[in-house]
Amino acid sequence: RKEVEQDPGPFNVPEGATVAFNCTYSNSASQSFFWYRQDCRKEPKLLMSVYSSGNEDGRFTAQLNRASQYISLLIRDSKLSDSATYLCVLTDSWGKFQFGAGTQVVVTP
Amino acid sequence: DVKVTQSSRYLVKRTGEKVFLECVQDMDHENMFWYRQDPGLGLRLIYFSYDVKMKEKGDIPEGYSVSREKKERFSLILESASTNQTSMYLCASIIRGTNTQYFGPGTRLTVL
Repeated sequence: RKEVEQDPGPFNVPEGATVAFNCTYSNSASQSFFWYRQDCRKEPKLLMSVYSSGNEDGRFTAQLNRASQYISLLIRDSKLSDSATYLCVLTDSWGKFQFGAGTQVVVTP
Repeated sequence: DVKVTQSSRYLVKRTGEKVFLECVQDMDHENMFWYRQDPGLGLRLIYFSYDVKMKEKGDIPEGYSVSREKKERFSLILESASTNQTSMYLCASIIRGTNTQYFGPGTRLTVL
């Protein structure tokens, strides 16, 4: 079983719509959680950290559910520029980063 | 602005060749990482280094070695390239004690 699992998608989203997707993790001792964004043929870049209390950054909302061992990302009012692969990332109890394989989002006009 | 550079964007090598991938960061970061990224598998850690001349194995170190002679430079070495090492290789660095990784643009290596 993979440590970090994501639905690969693609999630096809009309411009202006809302899209949400989850990432599940198997290690209950995981420490920190993040969403990274990776554009086609580019390197990953940090989108936002994820906290149990939930946090927002503009149109993006992230949530951590430790009891059920998943994190989520919600994108409101989707823009064409939101088209990317979103990587779920966490640090384990040793401080090592574990990556999901990514969820592809395609925003269509 | 943060900058991580990698020596090549695209590289084609033959089976059995020795391959050097270089990564340089200009941010005085202590920790540096080498990952490979394959479709459906996500990024997998090959090696990391938390200081000059220090190195630690990641999850998939077999067939690779690394060198960190200077703080800003972390090299990945494929001693004898094989076709199953065809992949995208990504270097990253972070400030010790933080969790924001800064990635280089990646090197797409093809081994024929």
